[in-house]
Amino acid sequence: DTAVSQTPKYLVTQMGNDKSIKCEQNLGHDTMYWYKQDSKKFLKIMFSYNNKELIINETVPNRFSPKSPDKAHLNLHINSLELGDSAVYFCASSQDITGGYGYTFGSGTRLTVV
Amino acid sequence: RKEVEQDPGPFNVPEGATVAFNCTYSNSASQSFFWYRQDCRKEPKLLMSVYSSGNEDGRFTAQLNRASQYISLLIRDSKLSDSATYLCVVHGGGADGLTFGKGTHLIIQP
Repeated sequence: DTAVSQTPKYLVTQMGNDKSIKCEQNLGHDTMYWYKQDSKKFLKIMFSYNNKELIINETVPNRFSPKSPDKAHLNLHINSLELGDSAVYFCASSQDITGGYGYTFGSGTRLTVV
Repeated sequence: RKEVEQDPGPFNVPEGATVAFNCTYSNSASQSFFWYRQDCRKEPKLLMSVYSSGNEDGRFTAQLNRASQYISLLIRDSKLSDSATYLCVVHGGGADGLTFGKGTHLIIQP
């Protein structure tokens, strides 16, 4: 069973479109995250949710909107996609909000905006 | 600004050699420390946690120096399969989330 699964794995879309990425974890973790890894391979946190409550909201364009219907799911919706949004987006989860035991990552969604 | 600094490499090392790399972190209040491994086009995976007393897992040894805000990873008897990017990761405590270094790229050569 996949612990943290995200879909789709690959996403190619045109500028201006709206797209969503879904993430689900079956680990019973309380906290979930979205990270962005750009072309320079730098992993940067975007959002975190703890038990459906938004905890971290880094400086990202408001075209990015996370939604957590329950603590096992954290989706990411992106409006009006731009070329600079091309990156790999990783979902992750941790046992609790401290993350003291580390994170488990999904396999990533490779987004290419053309 | 909370940062984690690593030498990006690449480190080209012959198979069987011992290799060490390290990172520094700026947040003196950091609580937890980790090394993650990321293979090309894959997700980061936890390699090991780093404890103040130092810890070892097979061929891998991690050490933490809180006074100098410095974390190290030593790999003995390196294998071809050790080729990957090694990410130094720091947790500031509370709800800050993990801060990742940019990674050190290691290439083990036959």
